Amino acid sequence: SQTIHQWPATLVQPVGSPLSLECTVEGTSNPNLYWYRQAAGRGLQLLFYSVGIGQISSEVPQNLSASRPQDRQFILSSKKLLLSDSGFYLCAWDRGRAMDEQFFGPGTRLTVL
Amino acid sequence: AQKITQTQPGMFVQEKEAVTLDCTYDTSDPSYGLFWYKQPSSGEMIFLIYQGSYDQQNATEGRYSLNFQKARKSANLVISASQLGDSAMYFCAMREGRSPGYALNFGKGTSLLVTP
Repeated sequence: SQTIHQWPATLVQPVGSPLSLECTVEGTSNPNLYWYRQAAGRGLQLLFYSVGIGQISSEVPQNLSASRPQDRQFILSSKKLLLSDSGFYLCAWDRGRAMDEQFFGPGTRLTVL
Repeated sequence: AQKITQTQPGMFVQEKEAVTLDCTYDTSDPSYGLFWYKQPSSGEMIFLIYQGSYDQQNATEGRYSLNFQKARKSANLVISASQLGDSAMYFCAMREGRSPGYALNFGKGTSLLVTP
C-alpha cells in the first residue's frame, strides 16, 4: 500500500531564517506531487506541483521554492521566511490521472515568529 | 473567481441525525471531478467521496452520499446517522480536466459539530 510522509510535524522559526520541509511517498512510482498551504481557518491553496523529477510548476508567486530531486521526494524551501509564511503545509500525491483522488500527508505546522 | 463555494461556515447536528453540507462549483470544462475531504483537528485530509461529471448516479460510500445536481452545479455531501467522530472540517474540491497538473481547487470548508 502507498504511504506519504512529511517532516517535521511542527516547526517554529524566526523571521528571516531558512526553511526545508520534506515529503516522501512510498509504494508507488512516478506520482504527481503537490504542496498546499492552509492558513488558519481557511481552505487549501496550491503552491507547487510536479509531474516528474526536476519538473516544478508554481501556482502562487512567493518567496518559497520547491524541488523534486528523486521520483518520490518533494521538498519545499525558503531562503528567508516571512511572517506570512506561517500556516499548515500539506503534501499530496496522486497517480496523475484526471479523476483520481489525491492522498495527503499528515502536514507540517509552521509558525514564523 | 471562486470555483468552489461552501456557504455554511459552521453546522450543528445531533448525533444519529442526517446532515447536508452544501457545495456549489463553477466550471466550463465538461470533464471534471468533485471530491469531499474531511479534516479532523489533527489536520490530516481524509478523502471521503468522489463524483465524476459523467457519472449518471450519485456516489455513495457507507454513510456518505453525494447529491449531485449537474444543472444547478451543486454537489452536496449528505452524512447519514451522524456520529460524534464526524465533528471536523469538511472541504469540497474540484478537479477539472484542464487543471494544471490536475490540482484540486478547494472551497473554504464547513465546520461540522455533532452534539450528543
